[in-house]
Amino acid sequence: GQSLEQPSEVTAVEGAIVQINCTYQTSGFYGLSWYQQHDGGAPTFLSYNALDGLEETGRFSSFLSRSDSYGYLLLQELQMKDSASYFCAVITGTASKLTFGTGTRLQVTL
Amino acid sequence: DSGVTQTPKHLITATGQRVTLRCSPRSGDLSVYWYQQSLDQGLQFLIQYYNGEERAKGNILERFSAQQFPDLHSELNLSSLELGDSALYFCASSGQGREIGNEQFFGPGTRLTVL
Repeated sequence: GQSLEQPSEVTAVEGAIVQINCTYQTSGFYGLSWYQQHDGGAPTFLSYNALDGLEETGRFSSFLSRSDSYGYLLLQELQMKDSASYFCAVITGTASKLTFGTGTRLQVTL
Repeated sequence: DSGVTQTPKHLITATGQRVTLRCSPRSGDLSVYWYQQSLDQGLQFLIQYYNGEERAKGNILERFSAQQFPDLHSELNLSSLELGDSALYFCASSGQGREIGNEQFFGPGTRLTVL
């Protein structure tokens, strides 16, 4: 089976940088995705890494190390609106099947 | 707005009953995915359809079934409902569905409450 671990909660100050780690154990690994979900809302796609290294999209960056079965999401210049849950998800198999982690609740404070 | 629509938004029913959740994917998307989100189980993949055919199966109970119709909309049928089936059910769609890691666009969800 698959298992993913990420911290349950993170708190950071507005304007700061925060890193949310994700470690996984899976077979048939294709890549790692990150999704954001605000309370009461639907998950929205943030990034996808299939190869080792850093992918940058605006204030958000995502990193993957396949040899370490590890990835992280880096959020810079934090804003209050970034308060949400962040999920890492592994893509496995021949389909685009997503297996989600349990999510990290990020709270941005003043 | 992701472009994915789900109906109904809320559903309250009793144990033992059967319900049908409906999903319309984004225009042109061939793949539809169903997920269940509950407090104790997190976000769980249930099943994927691609252009009318089942493509991948996750932790979907035998009491649950789904299908994708020729117009690409999908329905998730839940029967013999139990209290533990109370959850938020999301539908998502993606473009071609063959590219691994395709961005999935989630609908607003259907909140099911079983009393």
